[in-house]
Amino acid sequence: AQSVTQLDSQVPVFEEAPVELRCNYSSSVSVYLFWYVQYPNQGLQLLLKYLSGSTLVKGINGFEAEFNKSQTSFHLRKPSVHISDTAEYFCAVSDQGGSEKLVFGKGTKLTVNP
Amino acid sequence: DAGVTQSPTHLIKTRGQQVTLRCSPKSGHDTVSWYQQALGQGPQFIFQYYEEEERQRGNFPDRFSGHQFPNYSSELNVNALLLGDSALYLCASSLRPEEAFFGQGTRLTVV
Repeated sequence: AQSVTQLDSQVPVFEEAPVELRCNYSSSVSVYLFWYVQYPNQGLQLLLKYLSGSTLVKGINGFEAEFNKSQTSFHLRKPSVHISDTAEYFCAVSDQGGSEKLVFGKGTKLTVNP
Repeated sequence: DAGVTQSPTHLIKTRGQQVTLRCSPKSGHDTVSWYQQALGQGPQFIFQYYEEEERQRGNFPDRFSGHQFPNYSSELNVNALLLGDSALYLCASSLRPEEAFFGQGTRLTVV
């Protein structure tokens, strides 16, 4: 079974500042890793995913994440945030066995202040 | 491509009633998964349908049931509603294991 821990429930930052949202996972098998964003009263939108290969993954809206197998982490970063990045961010894992079931963390609320 | 569409967007039900939520997957996607997202929490996997069969199930009681039709659309049924069933219900469709697309969800309020 897999589990995901998002270490910060809320992250306030100022506009144009860098941000890092932390995610650690636990699994006994190889996993795929994902970051999703959820705007108020909306569904989930995929930001980026790690399947294999390069450990640095680039996604939409200027976000990137780095897979660190030894630390079982998949932290999300953006060098300069905008007001429009204010949203809830979810880290998720699925096993590479093809079950397609996603296991989510509890989310991190990113608030970008002017 | 309309993406994943869910209906209705909101509904209010009374404790003990039954509810049916609907999902149309993204064009060409044959797998549909349902998730429950309680307020302030991450989504939790309910079950997944493929070729009209329930392929996987999460830790949800039998009051939660589903169906997939030949056109891959799906329904989620919840019987004997409890206050704790109030949540955002999300449908996701996929063609490959590593690619799930989510709908905008159905907000269910049980009073």
